[in-house]
Formats: sequence, C-alpha cells, structure tokens
Amino acid sequence: DAGVTQSPTHLIKTRGQQVTLRCSPKSGHDTVSWYQQALGQGPQFIFQYYEEEERQRGNFPDRFSGHQFPNYSSELNVNALLLGDSALYLCASSWWGTATNEKLFFGSGTQLSVL
Amino acid sequence: GQNIDQPTEMTATEGAIVQINCTYQTSGFNGLFWYQQHAGEAPTFLSYNVLDGLEEKGRFSSFLSRSKGYSYLLLKELQMKDSASYLCAVFSGGYNKLIFGAGTRLAVHP
Repeated sequence: DAGVTQSPTHLIKTRGQQVTLRCSPKSGHDTVSWYQQALGQGPQFIFQYYEEEERQRGNFPDRFSGHQFPNYSSELNVNALLLGDSALYLCASSWWGTATNEKLFFGSGTQLSVL
Repeated sequence: GQNIDQPTEMTATEGAIVQINCTYQTSGFNGLFWYQQHAGEAPTFLSYNVLDGLEEKGRFSSFLSRSKGYSYLLLKELQMKDSASYLCAVFSGGYNKLIFGAGTRLAVHP
C-alpha cells in the first residue's frame, strides 16, 4: 500500500519563476492538504482540497494556488517566486468521511530552493 | 489568535527519560497531536489526545490538560535514533487542519 508520494523531491528555481509540485494521496484517501515548512519552523497550513475544490485556506497570498484531479491527486502552484518561498512543501492526505480526529499522513516533501 | 509554544531545543542522555512540553492558545480545540520529524523527512505520527489524561504507547506517552491548554510528550529509555524534532499540533477550527508549533529539536547523547 503506497503512502503519500510527492514529486519532485528537490527543486531549484530563481526569483520570479513559477513552480508546480505534485502529490498523490495514500490509497483510500480523498482529501489533500498542503503545508509549507520553513527551516527550523513547524509546518504552516496552505490549503486543502476535497472533491476537486479548495475547502480551506491558510494565510497565504494568491500566488499560491492548487488543483485536485478526479483521481484525488493534487498540484500546488506558486507564481512569481520569492526568496522567502524557499521551504519544504509537505502534502498530507486524509479521508473526508472520518471524524475530525483522523490523523494526517504526510509525504516526504519537496524541498524548494529559490535563488 | 493561534499560538502553540514548545521549547526550541533539548538534550538528553541515551537511556534516560525526557519530557517535551507544549502549551497552546487556539480559537478552537478538536484534539492534539505529536509528530516526530527527522531532518528532511516527513513528520510521522506519534500520538493523539482529545480527552484529558495520559495516553501510553510503548516508550512514548502523551498527556493533555484542556483546562490548562497544556500537553507533554514523554520519551522513555531514550535511544540515539530518537534524536529528531518533535512537533506539537492542534486541530483547531477547520476540518483536518492542523496548527503546528515550531518544534523541539531533541539531541540524544551517548
């Protein structure tokens, strides 16, 4: 049973560029959440997708957008990259149908470096 | 506002016991999680508390006091592989949305 998979594992971009990160949820899960983790900090919630719609959003600018596909996989897009966007981007999956205490399963993340 | 505090760093000796504290002030509370994270890796689930009291799971235990907005993670019989960051996180408000603390980096020495 595959867990949460993310690609690519590492990425280097320059300021002003755009980036797309990908996530496949754990088998049986239908909800994907994205988190940004800066060095030495805890993960910060970006947004969450269920049924191909953004359901919740954290305090991130519109440069951060996403998409969920019919097979539940998801993409995170970041436009006009800033140096401060350098971070580990984590994808977490869960099942919408469970109670709110369902633990999240995290992928290994994509390390984005903006130069 | 949302605020979760935990110590930045701790050190301990192999075989010893260490307690990592977490205090929280959030607009809602639906449960508290502890995750372990090795550098460059995904956070892995350790424990979940929604009611007051102690939850024990092998060498790891977690305690919650909702009235005090306080939790701790207790690690017994420390091993070198326990050197990692430990993240305290609260389900607050939105569905399956976790609010994380900054994490506690634990270094276990021989």
